[in-house]
Amino acid sequence: EVQLVQSGAEVKKPGESLKISCKGSGYSFTSYWIGWVRQMPGKGLEWMGIIYPGDSDTRYSPSFQGQVTISADKSISTAYLQWSSLKASDTAMYYCARSIAAAASLDYWGQGTLVTVSS
Amino acid sequence: SYELTQPPSVSVSPGQTARITCSGDALPKKYAYWYQQKSGQAPVLVIYEDSKRPSGIPERFSGSSSGTMATLTISGAQVEDEADYYCYSTDSSGNHVFGGGTKLTVL
Repeated sequence: EVQLVQSGAEVKKPGESLKISCKGSGYSFTSYWIGWVRQMPGKGLEWMGIIYPGDSDTRYSPSFQGQVTISADKSISTAYLQWSSLKASDTAMYYCARSIAAAASLDYWGQGTLVTVSS
Repeated sequence: SYELTQPPSVSVSPGQTARITCSGDALPKKYAYWYQQKSGQAPVLVIYEDSKRPSGIPERFSGSSSGTMATLTISGAQVEDEADYYCYSTDSSGNHVFGGGTKLTVL
């Protein structure tokens, strides 16, 4: 069974750093892309970027380029999304999802990680 | 930047057909995908490559695309289909975009 299991909810202060994770199982982790999607409270879905764990090829949405870093450790089948300095506006639910190709659909999704940034 | 435009809301009675549209300039050349998101849950893929249905998705869900518009059709909508629906596609530069979402009410 394909599963993407994300790390737990986080509460952080503005200016702090954060790295959340997404662990894949039940499929060949290095053969699929992992994308990240943001959903701010009460709002729609926003595509942030995508990584191919097989060779770490990474693409970012222009809206998120330079704001976050996407990485992966194929030895433990885990992808990451990280911030170096959080802002209150980063408060959102973050989902990871699997894709067979960079431009294809996101077919299996993680359960989401809620990030709250508040002073 | 590229945009996909959806109606904010659609409302039908149980058993009626619900149609949700998604318009975008690149849709004549790019596939559309549709996601269902129920309250408090992660999105679920219900249609891929314009009209294909993943395994486990009920047959009442169908998709089509013509010109700059893609359409998700739910034939005989049920109360459990009440959710937010998002279309998704890419533009000619490879940027991925979600539509703004459509709230489907079935009552």
